[in-house]
Amino acid sequence: AQRVTQPEKLLSVFKGAPVELKCNYSYSGSPELFWYVQYSRQRLQLLLRHISRESIKGFTADLNKGETSFHLKKPFAQEEDSAMYYCALSGGLTGGGNKLTFGTGTQLKVEL
Amino acid sequence: DGGITQSPKYLFRKEGQNVTLSCEQNLNHDAMYWYRQDPGQGLRLIYYSQIVNDFQKGDIAEGYSVSREKKESFPLTVTSAQKNPTAFYLCASSIGPAGLNEQYFGPGTRLTVT
Repeated sequence: AQRVTQPEKLLSVFKGAPVELKCNYSYSGSPELFWYVQYSRQRLQLLLRHISRESIKGFTADLNKGETSFHLKKPFAQEEDSAMYYCALSGGLTGGGNKLTFGTGTQLKVEL
Repeated sequence: DGGITQSPKYLFRKEGQNVTLSCEQNLNHDAMYWYRQDPGQGLRLIYYSQIVNDFQKGDIAEGYSVSREKKESFPLTVTSAQKNPTAFYLCASSIGPAGLNEQYFGPGTRLTVT
């Protein structure tokens, strides 16, 4: 079974402070991991995926298979980063690759 | 925006009535998905379809039904058998399998059943 855990419902940081949104997963195979974001009054959209290994809007996420984690990080938070963030997992090509399992989401609030 | 649309934005129904939520996409995507979003529970997959005339149950399919007669359309029917139908429903599509491709989401439909 696929499972994604985001332990924090709400994370509040000051502008300029580092951000880390936690994501842990449970999957027996080789997973594909994603971060989706929903800004206020906007649609849910892809932020980044681990396979791309890219930095989007200053955010990065590294897949740690040993700790089964895919934490989202940004060194300096900006006001416009305030949003709901969802971690998602797929089984990839080897299994369960046709669907995503989402975590419960973390609301990030960046305060001035 | 555009690309994937859901209608209506708000829907109200009496208990015991079936209701159909619309989802249309003009992105030429093969795959389409229905999720339910409840506070504190994230997104839960109801049904998904990888290709026309084929669909699979997701994690919470009970009380729901779908059809995929056209590539661009994936309507969701919430039946009277769904015990707790009041929720926010999101439709999504992707060009290929969800695990390898970005999902594009619609604006959502908020269903209230009283």
